[in-house]
Amino acid sequence: QLQLQESGPGLVKPSETLSLTCSVSGDSISGSSNYWGWIRQPPGKGLEWIGSIYYSGSTYYNPSLKSRVTISVDTSKNQFSLKLSSVTAADTAVYYCASATRAVVAAKLVVWFDPWGQGTLVTVSS
Amino acid sequence: EIVMTQSPATLSVSPGERATLSCRASQSVSSNLAWYQQKPGQAPRLLIYGASTRATGIPARFSGSGSGTEFTLTISSLQSEDFAVYYCQQYNNWPPSFTFGPGTKVDIK
Repeated sequence: QLQLQESGPGLVKPSETLSLTCSVSGDSISGSSNYWGWIRQPPGKGLEWIGSIYYSGSTYYNPSLKSRVTISVDTSKNQFSLKLSSVTAADTAVYYCASATRAVVAAKLVVWFDPWGQGTLVTVSS
Repeated sequence: EIVMTQSPATLSVSPGERATLSCRASQSVSSNLAWYQQKPGQAPRLLIYGASTRATGIPARFSGSGSGTEFTLTISSLQSEDFAVYYCQQYNNWPPSFTFGPGTKVDIK
């Protein structure tokens, strides 16, 4: 059973870089045809896709965050990571990692997030 | 960029009643639409993918329909555990990107 778990500091100072890691168990990150993604949710607000990475290393980012985001994969540790630079209070959120499953349904490629990690709250404050 | 909208923002329903939630895309997403349920303090849970396919373990009272730009999530008979926030999500093939709707909160009438 595929499981994901986020880890990293819960408090980051303004202007610094937020760094999180997602540990994957139950499947090999390099053997999967799935994407791996990061999604965030500010307190009391909706979900925002941050970006995704394929096991080969190809990355795709939300245009609104692209200049500050780096997602990478470490196949030896079965992990993928998120770095978000120059953070402000607006980056305070619960950060989720998730597996983006790709499949052909009715002859069309469809993609969805499942499963998700439990999420980790990151607060940006001095 | 594809923009997703959901209506209503809040839906008040009595247990046992039917709930109908709407999701609209600013341009066609074909059937590349998923629905998630989120309860307070929990990660989102996948309900529907491919616009109408129920995820593993999801009760039959949840159903999805639509294609192109208009989608619907129907909960045929609301149970107490169904009161939550529901999000739709689209996937764009190229460049690969995802967009979530703002959510619909289903609460007890």
